[in-house]
Amino acid sequence: GAGVSQSPSNKVTEKGKDVELRCDPISGHTALYWYRQSLGQGLEFLIYFQGNSAPDKSGLPSDRFSAERTGGSVSTLTIQRTQQEDSAVYLCASSLGQGAKWGLNYGYTFGSGTRLTVV
Amino acid sequence: KNEVEQSPQNLTAQEGEFITINCSYSVGISALHWLQQHPGGGIVSLFMLSSGKKKHGRLIATINIQEKHSSLHITASHPRDSAVYICAVRHSGGSNYKLTFGKGTLLTVNP
Repeated sequence: GAGVSQSPSNKVTEKGKDVELRCDPISGHTALYWYRQSLGQGLEFLIYFQGNSAPDKSGLPSDRFSAERTGGSVSTLTIQRTQQEDSAVYLCASSLGQGAKWGLNYGYTFGSGTRLTVV
Repeated sequence: KNEVEQSPQNLTAQEGEFITINCSYSVGISALHWLQQHPGGGIVSLFMLSSGKKKHGRLIATINIQEKHSSLHITASHPRDSAVYICAVRHSGGSNYKLTFGKGTLLTVNP
């Protein structure tokens, strides 16, 4: 697609329920990232995918959080047994690759985010 | 101490003023990003810098690698520039895919 698409844009859920957040990256972007922005906080890294593999899951805050990516494209972030502290904007970004050579970096394209509210 | 520090945290300006937002970082980086986030909106990437200076319209971004410092300038500011501006660095080395973000600068431009 033309941009990174996230759905839903807003989600209100009851504490204890499971939620799934979806990210559809730009076609051909091999790298996909999930970030979280809690109220009054900066953005924090959650997980990184290269293709369907997740070399770095270090930012997932607990084992209630999981993510997968299929076909090197769509990714789903799942939060089980949601808690109020999970309320945040969840942002997805994608990039062509993750080449780190100076001057050969790939830009990121961010989605509009999913605003999750746990009540 | 945060790896990425932005200043000021909040900035209010009158339409037409020249704006400067600063970003300092303490880690080795491969690139620095300036991002814009409107209230309730997603994030738009404004610049990605690895050296020198870039200009898009009224926006100018500079980076000094030796001093580990970057600035975002807005010339002839306009109320539609009101947003949160976020500095983010891409680490060098093994974690080069990861961005570390500053806490953002809330800019309000009054007519």
